[in-house]
Amino acid sequence: AQTVTQSQPEMSVQEAETVTLSCTYDTSESDYYLFWYKQPPSRQMILVIRQEAYKQQNATENRFSVNFQKAAKSFSLKISDSQLGDAAMYFCAYRSASYSGGGADGLTFGKGTHLIIQP
Amino acid sequence: NAGVMQNPRHLVRRRGQEARLRCSPMKGHSHVYWYRQLPEEGLKFMVYLQKENIIDESGMPKERFSAEFPKEGPSILRIQQVVRGDSAAYFCASSPPWTQDWEIGNEQFFGPGTRLTVL
Repeated sequence: AQTVTQSQPEMSVQEAETVTLSCTYDTSESDYYLFWYKQPPSRQMILVIRQEAYKQQNATENRFSVNFQKAAKSFSLKISDSQLGDAAMYFCAYRSASYSGGGADGLTFGKGTHLIIQP
Repeated sequence: NAGVMQNPRHLVRRRGQEARLRCSPMKGHSHVYWYRQLPEEGLKFMVYLQKENIIDESGMPKERFSAEFPKEGPSILRIQQVVRGDSAAYFCASSPPWTQDWEIGNEQFFGPGTRLTVL
């Protein structure tokens, strides 16, 4: 079974600064997807960024980028120019690339990192 | 295109009662996933359904919990004889049928969740 570990329960950063959230995972599979989700106080789960394991290039979405180290099974999220609206819980998630029943398997989530933005 | 709908948003039940949580997937989506989020925890996968089929229920508790996704109507997560430990946020996600478009990675779109409180 796959596991996802987020070792930072809480992180704090000054507005406009850069912060990195850590995530490691354990799997015996070679093909899979990795995700970062944001959960603001509204509790709505919002996809921030995704990474396909077969791609060596790190994914980037505007101010959000990842550092994907497949051999180390590490998948960190970097948020540049932090904004007050970035304050939320951030969850790292893993999904197998296998498909059953015509659809993708369920996601495995870490416990989350609470990101605080200091004005 | 409306997003994933869940109702009710909040549900209060007394111990021993039944809880029914509903999820309407996005239009065109034929796969539904249910997740549970306990306080201060990440989301835990419970069950993955297709229309009229349970594909993967490896995360479902063996007793009192059941799920269905009928040919017509929403997916239902049913909890019988609720206990205080069932108090949590329950999220539904949906995804489209399998595609060879690996770039999409069959993203799961989440609903706003139902917060169940057992008194």
